[in-house]
Order: sequence, then structure tokens, then C-alpha cells
Amino acid sequence: EIVLTQSPGTLSLSPGERATLSCRASQSVSSSYLAWYQQKPGQAPRLLIYGASSRATGIPDRFSGSGSGTDFTLTISRLEPEDFAVYYCQQYGSSPPMITFGPGTKVDIK
Amino acid sequence: QLQLQESGSGLVKPSQTLSLTCAVSGGSISSGGYSWSWIRQPPGKGLEWIGYIYHSGSTYYNPSLKSRVTISVDRSKNQFSLKLSSVTAADTAVYYCARVHFYGDYLDNWGQGTLVTVSS
Repeated sequence: EIVLTQSPGTLSLSPGERATLSCRASQSVSSSYLAWYQQKPGQAPRLLIYGASSRATGIPDRFSGSGSGTDFTLTISRLEPEDFAVYYCQQYGSSPPMITFGPGTKVDIK
Repeated sequence: QLQLQESGSGLVKPSQTLSLTCAVSGGSISSGGYSWSWIRQPPGKGLEWIGYIYHSGSTYYNPSLKSRVTISVDRSKNQFSLKLSSVTAADTAVYYCARVHFYGDYLDNWGQGTLVTVSS
């Protein structure tokens, strides 16, 4: 079973700053099966990035994903007030078929 | 526009069975290219995948919950369901249903979630 680790646990930044969030897998993950989600308090998660680097429908281009193998990154180029939230990475593994989430990174206002 | 809506009992007694349904609107649950999943989130904690049901009817469950979980689909009602048996307080969580894109296995549409509390 692949375990995902996210760092940092909390990222304190100001609006307009750049946010860099890390997701590390315990073993290699196919880039096709790495996704990122945003969750705000009281809301369901929202898909941001799939296939490690493809933006979901309606996601602003300030969000970008990159990485391969065991190291993946979500970057928010310039934080908007609505971007302060918790971000989760997620991977799919085939043996057995299983979805795993990372523990999340909270981006809060400095 | 696809919408998913969870429903079911919000309060379940310990040792009983939790039952939830996810109604899908704006699209057919029988559409190829997708599977249908349940995820939960204990209060203040992260996301935990429970399992999913493929278009073919095959089911796959989180190994940590497999002995207690059943996911089924009712195509005539365009909905799918979750049953979790022998619940304890540790099963208290917000339960979400979601659509899973077949290629990439990412969750592209989520329900709003429903809180289930396990308490006597």
C-alpha cells in the first residue's frame, strides 16, 4: 500500500504570495494517477488537478501541478483570499485497486 | 450538470449498520467511463476512501474496512448505496459520495456530504 506524506502541515502566507505544497509517495506513483483537491470549511473537496498536472474544469491558471515518481508539487502562483483552505493529494494504486489521500496541507493567512 | 446527493440516517447506534444512499442527477449512473465511490472524513481530520463500484458492478473496498462494507448500485433509481456494519464511535464522520473518472481514478464530482454520528 502506498502512503502519501504532505508537507508542510501548515503554510502561513499572505495574499499575493506564492504557495508551494509537497506530496511525497512511499513508492513510485504513475503521474496519471495523482490528483489534488481543495477543501474549505464545511464544504466537500473540489478537484483542482488530475494526472499530476492537468487543471480540472474551471480551475484558475494560478494553480499548477508538477512532479513524477515519488515527488509531486502543487503551486499557487499568487494567493487569492479564496485560496486559503486545506489541500489534499490523492493517488490510485492498482494492487489492490485502492485510492489513498495524503493528510493535507492547510494554507492559512499570515 | 451532474449532481450527487447523500441521504440516510444521521444517527446510528453502536453495533448497528450505517446505511446511506447517493442519488445521482444530471447524468446516468450507467454511463461508461466512471465508477462511484464513498469517502468519509471524521470531524477535524483528513479524508478516508471507503470503496467504489465500477460500471461493471465490481466492487473494491479499503482493506481496513472491507469486512464491514458493502457498496451497491440501483440503476433503475440512478443511485448507489453504502452499508457499514458493526459501527463504533470511530465511524462518526461526514460521508461523501463521489464520481470517479475511470482513466486516472480521480474524483471529479462530489456530493455535499452528510454527517453520521454513532452514539447510543
